[in-house]
Amino acid sequence: QQQVKQSPQSLIVQKGGISIINCAYENTAFDYFPWYQQFPGKGPALLIAIRPDVSEKKEGRFTISFNKSAKQFSLHIMDSQPGDSATYFCAASKYNQGGKLIFGQGTELSVKP
Amino acid sequence: DTGVSQNPRHKITKRGQNVTFRCDPISEHNRLYWYRQTLGQGPEFLTYFQNEAQLEKSRLLSDRFSAERPKGSFSTLEIQRTEQGDSAMYLCASSRDRIRRSSYNSPLHFGNGTRLTVT
Repeated sequence: QQQVKQSPQSLIVQKGGISIINCAYENTAFDYFPWYQQFPGKGPALLIAIRPDVSEKKEGRFTISFNKSAKQFSLHIMDSQPGDSATYFCAASKYNQGGKLIFGQGTELSVKP
Repeated sequence: DTGVSQNPRHKITKRGQNVTFRCDPISEHNRLYWYRQTLGQGPEFLTYFQNEAQLEKSRLLSDRFSAERPKGSFSTLEIQRTEQGDSAMYLCASSRDRIRRSSYNSPLHFGNGTRLTVT
């Protein structure tokens, strides 16, 4: 049972473009939605996170958009750079279980110079 | 370096052998998690400690797997009688308790993992 579905599986974007990665979840008990970035040979690193009481959160070039009724959320990377090339994972967890994350399958992003 | 430390980084073993991995969390973090990540997939939760108490274990954690966290500091994950299907990256993560009941979940800090290959 895949509780968090992520798409696309891979994404190629030109430098300066916008990268968009989407996730959908099933469990309405989820109330914490982080995005993690992972480089080859490294562990995932928290990028940005959102709770369902807001529809958008922005940190620098990274924005999460959240649609509670559709049970969907997305990551937008503005002005994408070659250094953003990595695998991105969305995740979700229930209240007070913030460390027990359910991850999506990942999106491999490649930003071409 | 004050991040989460995992050793060894790589482990190659033959099927049927036992292996043990170590995780040293960030020093002030009292929560410690083990995850498993296979190629092309997101990490999957295995187990969780609050201080020295193991509070939850995933159904993925068969009886060949055992985790400990003596004295609430470092943790070890042991796999007995390894199988080829155990080949994966084993990730450790740590976090602190939420400071206030209403505060946001404390973020997880992951180590760089131990890559296990069972031949």
